[in-house]
Amino acid sequence: SQQGEEDPQALSIQEGENATMNCSYKTSINNLQWYRQNSGRGLVHLILIRSNEREKHSGRLRVTLDTSKKSSSLLITASRAADTASYFCATETSGSRLTFGEGTQLTVNP
Amino acid sequence: GAVVSQHPSWVICKSGTSVKIECRSLDFQATTMFWYRQFPKQSLMLMATSNEGSKATYEQGVEKDKFLINHASLTLSTLTVTSAHPEDSSFYICSARRDRNEKLFFGSGTQLSVL
Repeated sequence: SQQGEEDPQALSIQEGENATMNCSYKTSINNLQWYRQNSGRGLVHLILIRSNEREKHSGRLRVTLDTSKKSSSLLITASRAADTASYFCATETSGSRLTFGEGTQLTVNP
Repeated sequence: GAVVSQHPSWVICKSGTSVKIECRSLDFQATTMFWYRQFPKQSLMLMATSNEGSKATYEQGVEKDKFLINHASLTLSTLTVTSAHPEDSSFYICSARRDRNEKLFFGSGTQLSVL
């Protein structure tokens, strides 16, 4: 099994709605990060949450981390068409390795 | 924010040739750079971790003789795909960071197509 499994694989919502994506992992982590990728482009860092943190906010983004359940969620509030992209969680373990999840393809319909 | 420049953004080559991809941190010194490959609609797979002045650490299953990584300075790492074959066609992405526990900055990726 692989680190960083995300669900749903694909999510389609209307503009203005909230989007929630989940990420589960299997091993102990130093931190968990969320990234965004537009098609055929590099990744953009969105937010990092450390293993001793439970929740973090950045603008319209809210990330939670539950280390007992080894899971994290990313909430995008009041979504916009420009939020359409793939979203990846990535877990950083000892040795500074960053392992990416499979990603969630979010489509926000105008 | 910090900028990582990756070049070229796309390359088409014939089977058997070698291709070099550059990754530069433009406004910071990167102690560590990472190389990933990504197939369509899939996640990023870490290929190797590159530390300045030392040999790269390759992930299991990645052929070090095929994917040569050089990190000669704190601002430049290169990935050379040697004797490329069609199955090497993929999207290659580099990332860099100043220090541990800092976030990664990604290059814009290189789409490699081997004919």
